[in-house]
Amino acid sequence: SAVISQKPSRDICQRGTSLTIQCQVDSQVTMMFWYRQQPGQSLTLIATANQGSEATYESGFVIDKFPISRPNLTFSTLTVSNMSPEDSSIYLCSFGTGPTGGYTFGSGTRLTVV
Amino acid sequence: GQQVMQIPQYQHVQEGEDFTTYCNSSTTLSNIQWYKQRPGGHPVFLIQLVKSGEVKKQKRLTFQFGEAKKNSSLHITATQTTDVGTYFCAGRSAGNMLTFGGGTRLMVKP
Repeated sequence: SAVISQKPSRDICQRGTSLTIQCQVDSQVTMMFWYRQQPGQSLTLIATANQGSEATYESGFVIDKFPISRPNLTFSTLTVSNMSPEDSSIYLCSFGTGPTGGYTFGSGTRLTVV
Repeated sequence: GQQVMQIPQYQHVQEGEDFTTYCNSSTTLSNIQWYKQRPGGHPVFLIQLVKSGEVKKQKRLTFQFGEAKKNSSLHITATQTTDVGTYFCAGRSAGNMLTFGGGTRLMVKP
């Protein structure tokens, strides 16, 4: 099965700065998903990233704050822009294995904004 | 929008006791998935249920999908310390979006 690599695994950032998270899959996948998970909480979908088109954002998330790139079928990035302490969370990328399979998740990026 | 509720939020059990977590959706689901997230880890896919009334087993884990395809359960028989983690259900609607439940955190006392 496909493997997904996510980096960085963690970072501590100053407020007002931006952080770009990268996810690399070892095979081509059609859709990639970006989630946020507050400690001890469930997963909230930020956006769906398709290659060759703009990402589709869920309610409460906007492109200016969370720009996403999907330059090809194996790679995607999520940028957390103009960070504030409220952005401190775990960010996870994932992809689906089609309608008969589950999602595979990256190992996550633990972001702390100070 | 679609909501997926999961109970209980936490469960402490003695090693060897059984454990069950329940998942309820506000809408009829096309399928439901279950994930396990170990402390400090990422969610790992366990299983997908598609058919009404479906029951699947993985060793000590039994997964059920309700007849109305709006609820599901995960039952673990004779828990072990390796079962520790948070179990999430995730329901997929006709719109193909996956919505995660709040999760049940299982703690096992040796």
